[in-house]
Amino acid sequence: QSALTQPASVSGSPGQSITISCTGTISDVGTYNLVSWYRQYPGKAPKLIIYEVYNRPSGISSRFSGSKTGNTASLSVSGLQAEDEAVYYCCSYAAGGSMVFGGGTKLTVL
Amino acid sequence: QVQLVQSGAEVKKPGASVKVSCLTSGNTFTNDYIHWVRQAPGQGLEWMGIINPSGGTTRYSQKFQGRVAMTRDTSTSTVYMELGSLRSEDTAVYYCAREPITMERLYYFDYWGQGTLVTVSS
Repeated sequence: QSALTQPASVSGSPGQSITISCTGTISDVGTYNLVSWYRQYPGKAPKLIIYEVYNRPSGISSRFSGSKTGNTASLSVSGLQAEDEAVYYCCSYAAGGSMVFGGGTKLTVL
Repeated sequence: QVQLVQSGAEVKKPGASVKVSCLTSGNTFTNDYIHWVRQAPGQGLEWMGIINPSGGTTRYSQKFQGRVAMTRDTSTSTVYMELGSLRSEDTAVYYCAREPITMERLYYFDYWGQGTLVTVSS
């Protein structure tokens, strides 16, 4: 199972909005609405921020939103804040019962 | 409050095996699935496999088939991940992560352990 494709880095200024893409195939992202997103700070465990494409767990800011079109899922962050600077990973269920992550995207707040 | 607490860092020689534990609390042990995910230094996350603590059934990533074993001890609410034939490329932080269960599988991880660094070096 190949990793999902994410841009290595994105950046934005405080208050701006950014979007991170996550491209898979018909065997994972394209068929299943089982895409989740995680935020990871250096030296820390990942934290769930979006599940089932667009659902937010309790306690996660509404500035984070998820969507999907075809084989590509996206994470949008509006009103960028310094605390949003982290690495973001997408993850999807894949046909056959496995799971696959994206390579991660480093979000820099300028 | 759900907590996953992992065992401490390990240093192993190439060819050896390592067994990492993940103690779960604050949940119904047999109602959740536990996944293992690893992260090599400076690299991304990699899914290794899953164990259903209720029946002990497992599914492993093809990459680790034959080299990994996930088990559980229901009496202590602990799951284990053992990786054998270690090589330097297995140096990584290993995480356990919980997938909550409802009427159907959800395939996301809402709680993570703190991670266990496994270093493989001669």
